[in-house]
Amino acid sequence: NAGVTQTPKFQVLKTGQSMTLQCAQDMNHEYMSWYRQDPGMGLRLIHYSVGAGITDQGEVPNGYNVSRSTTEDFPLRLLSAAPSQTSVYFCASRRMGLAGKGSYEQYFGPGTRLTVT
Amino acid sequence: AQSVTQLGSHVSVSEGALVLLRCNYSSSVPPYLFWYVQYPNQGLQLLLKYTTGATLVKGINGFEAEFKKSETSFHLTKPSAHMSDAAEYFCAVREKASIIQGAQKLVFGQGTRLTINP
Repeated sequence: NAGVTQTPKFQVLKTGQSMTLQCAQDMNHEYMSWYRQDPGMGLRLIHYSVGAGITDQGEVPNGYNVSRSTTEDFPLRLLSAAPSQTSVYFCASRRMGLAGKGSYEQYFGPGTRLTVT
Repeated sequence: AQSVTQLGSHVSVSEGALVLLRCNYSSSVPPYLFWYVQYPNQGLQLLLKYTTGATLVKGINGFEAEFKKSETSFHLTKPSAHMSDAAEYFCAVREKASIIQGAQKLVFGQGTRLTINP
């Protein structure tokens, strides 16, 4: 298994440009999520999905869109990049558990380092 | 909403010394707690987790953590630091994300960077 893969590893954008960060997993995990990591702030959840066609916002969703058409893929779209979106982005996936039952490990991708100038 | 506080953004210890990384949480329900490690330029890797049962949890690479409900703490320890332990460590608590069944998210602390001195 490749686990969770992310592309690209690095990206530089100009303000106002759009782009899509790709995330794929080959573990048949229902749950996928996107986090951003900023110094001194840990990881903050942007969007998540509990299955194909089902997505929801996390704590910092503004400026980002997601969709989930397949179990494997969960792309993150930046519609109009801003310098405040300079960050390292991580995609993660895990099995879904029944509500309140168990807590399955999240697997993280290697990250995408994005700079917006 | 749950929250996690990691005391000390940077911790430095000598090789062979005790490692202690502090984590306190707030949770209105019995918590599920996690420690993740991030090596330079890599993603996060699970070290250990507490769900239910034994309050002393052993993880990979010789790390362990103890859940103390009365202190709302989940501190990470390792008896003897190794140079390869240099990394950033994140404590996290699971939180219900929405009314969707099974939808849970991790709330992370701000991280602690561990440096090992030779």
